[in-house]
Amino acid sequence: DQQVKQNSPSLSVQEGRISILNCDYTNSMFDYFLWYKKYPAEGPTFLISISSIKDKNEDGRFTVFLNKSAKHLSLHIVPSQPGDSAVYFCAASASGTSYGKLTFGQGTILTVHP
Amino acid sequence: DAGITQSPRHKVTETGTPVTLRCHQTENHRYMYWYRQDPGHGLRLIHYSYGVKDTDKGEVSDGYSVSRSKTEDFLLTLESATSSQTSVYFCAISESQVMAFFGQGTRLTVV
Repeated sequence: DQQVKQNSPSLSVQEGRISILNCDYTNSMFDYFLWYKKYPAEGPTFLISISSIKDKNEDGRFTVFLNKSAKHLSLHIVPSQPGDSAVYFCAASASGTSYGKLTFGQGTILTVHP
Repeated sequence: DAGITQSPRHKVTETGTPVTLRCHQTENHRYMYWYRQDPGHGLRLIHYSYGVKDTDKGEVSDGYSVSRSKTEDFLLTLESATSSQTSVYFCAISESQVMAFFGQGTRLTVV
C-alpha cells in the first residue's frame, strides 16, 4: 500500500506563475513532512519541511501547507523559475522510534517554461 | 553539502553475481539508509542502520543485506543480483531523525 501519494506525475507552469504540488498520506502516525528536490543524475536535496503541530511553513519562495484532517500537504513555489524544473518528492516520517525512516511519494516532475 | 560518497557511481553486472555498494560519510551521523529509486515508486527504503552493527529491514529488503562495522561506512550487498534489482540506489544519512541527506546515487544495471 502506498502510504504517501503524489497523484500528479507531472506539472507544467510558466515562469513567474505559481507552482502547486500536492501530496496525500494515509498513515496517521506520520508527524513530520518534507519536500525534496531532485535533478537528473543527482541525489535528492532537502527543500522544506513541516511538523504536524503547524499548518504552514515558509522559506523564501517556497511554502508548505499541511491539512491534517484531510491528510494532505502541498508545496507552493512563487514565483516559479526555470531553475525550479526538477522532480519533487514528498516524504513523511513518524517520530519516536522510526529512526528517521522516510516514506516517499512517487514524485512529480515540474517543468517551468521561460 | 553533506559528506556522503557512494561507490561505484555506475555498475553493470550479470545476473547471479554478488554486488556490493558502498556508502561512506564524513559527518559522523548516527543513522544511515539505503533507498532505491524506480519509476512510479519514488524512493523506497531497503535497509537502515541506527548505529554500528545495528541494522534493520526496510520496505523492500528481500534479496539485500547490509553491514555497518564502522560509523562512517554502510555497505549494501546483493548476494545474487537479479534483473529486478536494476535501479538507482541512494545512500542517506541523518542525525536528527527528521531529515536525511542523500548521496549522488549508484546506477546499477543487472543484465
